[in-house]
Amino acid sequence: GNSVTQMEGPVTLSEEAFLTINCTYTATGYPSLFWYVQYPGEGLQLLLKATKADDKGSNKGFEATYRKETTSFHLEKGSVQVSDSAVYFCALRTGNYKLTFGKGTLLTVNP
Amino acid sequence: NAGVTQTPKFQVLKTGQSMTLQCAQDMNHEYMSWYRQDPGMGLRLIHYSVGAGITDQGEVPNGYNVSRSTTEDFPLRLLSAAPSQTSVYFCASSNYQGRGSDGYTFGSGTRLTVV
Repeated sequence: GNSVTQMEGPVTLSEEAFLTINCTYTATGYPSLFWYVQYPGEGLQLLLKATKADDKGSNKGFEATYRKETTSFHLEKGSVQVSDSAVYFCALRTGNYKLTFGKGTLLTVNP
Repeated sequence: NAGVTQTPKFQVLKTGQSMTLQCAQDMNHEYMSWYRQDPGMGLRLIHYSVGAGITDQGEVPNGYNVSRSTTEDFPLRLLSAAPSQTSVYFCASSNYQGRGSDGYTFGSGTRLTVV
């Protein structure tokens, strides 16, 4: 079956620090990969995606590269802001509809 | 365009009570699903539907019922609430997921406490 493993949180950084949140996956078939973000008190919203090997998804300064050889999709940002404080979910899909989510990583950015 | 609308936002129930969490989408999405979010557990799929009249179970369906009589609505019913059902519930929808698609649109959640 499909599964997603994210690094354990919480992650606490100072403003302007470099961020990496690791995500690895196991999938039957050829997955599409996603990062979702959940701000406090809100639902999840799509942050970025990649649909084939070596694709780089990017949005709001965040990036992730689809690495088929290492089955990874690590999230990175060069300089985090306080407003990036949120929970980040890695997810994959191999079929027509269902997404499989990781457990989420809480990021707190201090000024 | 309202997206996915969940009601209520907050609810407190007594053990044994029943209630329905409402979910409506206005995007003509075929697929709708319910998740619960608990600390340290991530998102767990309760039930899902691929179209009107079609529903199926997810990972944690016990204690919950669903139906899909229209494309727009996908209510989640708690038959006899238990403290273990205290959680935040999210509804999500999507259209057919071709390879370039954006995944799910989520509602803002219902925070349920069972006492």
